[in-house]
Amino acid sequence: NAGVMQNPRHLVRRRGQEARLRCSPMKGHSHVYWYRQLPEEGLKFMVYLQKENIIDESGMPKERFSAEFPKEGPSILRIQQVVRGDSAAYFCASSPVGGSTDTQYFGPGTRLTVL
Amino acid sequence: AQTVTQSQPEMSVQEAETVTLSCTYDTSENNYYLFWYKQPPSRQMILVIRQEAYKQQNATENRFSVNFQKAAKSFSLKISDSQLGDTAMYFCAFISFTSGTYKYIFGTGTRLKVLA
Repeated sequence: NAGVMQNPRHLVRRRGQEARLRCSPMKGHSHVYWYRQLPEEGLKFMVYLQKENIIDESGMPKERFSAEFPKEGPSILRIQQVVRGDSAAYFCASSPVGGSTDTQYFGPGTRLTVL
Repeated sequence: AQTVTQSQPEMSVQEAETVTLSCTYDTSENNYYLFWYKQPPSRQMILVIRQEAYKQQNATENRFSVNFQKAAKSFSLKISDSQLGDTAMYFCAFISFTSGTYKYIFGTGTRLKVLA
């Protein structure tokens, strides 16, 4: 059973471009979470999705950021018009069920660098 | 507010010795899970150990064990017989119910260096 997969592992964009990050959850997992990790900091929750639904986007900036988890295919985190402050590692996690006793399994992350 | 606090930004330990990383948290929930994740230089987040709050027995995974004090809201990680490969950032995490959903809250991490 493959783990959570993320691609690309490294992404370089110039200011103003769009960044698109992909996450394929573990087989059988229908819950996906995105986190951002700034240098020397812990992971911060951004958004929680189930298939075709955004459940909680309270940690995601209101502008330029969007996320989706379509019925078919990976979850996508999209950052439009990137700025230098968007440079960070973006981690995706998946779980079989959402809840207080759930365990999330993390992907290897995508390191975004904005020039 | 639901928070996780790791008060030790950096620690070091001699190879083969034992080290304890501290973590405290704040919640009003009664049933929840606590986790320790390891992040080596590769940046991969690796689950080290988890503790179910309703279990009084401390979780153990090989050389890793926790000291879970529910009343004190304390969840420390003990690494026995430290190995060079244990060098990494260690994050304590807790599942929190905020804004209507359950999500992980992470501490700021402890950077552990195992010395040869």
